Amino acid sequence: ETGVTQTPRHLVMGMTNKKSLKCEQHLGHNAMYWYKQSAKKPLELMFVYSLEERVENNSVPSRFSPECPNSSHLFLHLHTLQPEDSALYLCASTQRLLDREGYNEQFFGPGTRLTVL
Amino acid sequence: GQQVMQIPQYQHVQEGEDFTTYCNSSTTLSNIQWYKQRPGGHPVFLIQLVKSGEVKKQKRLTFQFGEAKKNSSLHITATQTTDVGTYFCAVTPNSGYALNFGKGTSLLVTP
Repeated sequence: ETGVTQTPRHLVMGMTNKKSLKCEQHLGHNAMYWYKQSAKKPLELMFVYSLEERVENNSVPSRFSPECPNSSHLFLHLHTLQPEDSALYLCASTQRLLDREGYNEQFFGPGTRLTVL
Repeated sequence: GQQVMQIPQYQHVQEGEDFTTYCNSSTTLSNIQWYKQRPGGHPVFLIQLVKSGEVKKQKRLTFQFGEAKKNSSLHITATQTTDVGTYFCAVTPNSGYALNFGKGTSLLVTP
């Protein structure tokens, strides 16, 4: 629908598990983002990548580890998560990194609903 | 980063009533965007406003950018149940690499 896909759509994991979230954009964009959305703090930016290079890391705990092997794919590796990490994890992309004077439509994927038990 | 305050946090209207959400900044904005997120869905881009005093319409939705480029509004005329969702404004910060999103206004429309 939006050209950004995410898998899995739902994930339940224990605190000792290791899992990965995958995002793929089919839009030919150069910038990709990870957001966390929970009821208490909507749309928290986690990571920003531009042409596979991480350009922003918003004080995210090390139990979240991003990976961007190419400009179309973005992963979020999860390990030893806490119950408070339960949230909707959204991937997004833009044509290029933020253009302060230009057009910055952000395309979001459907998200992964993560529950940590 | 450049922060925006969005009000109200929640709004509950009867179908057919109008609805407005506001986004305010203490500093001048280069542009502002609006997104809609349906329940269980993901944010979807609606529009970007750039010019001072700009007004754009999309069917029953009217978007305005203030003359001083410090505030914006989204107005829905004669709401329908399909308008249910959370409406976010987003602004380009003076520094950093990603948009700053407001906390959103959740709209509930009852028939």
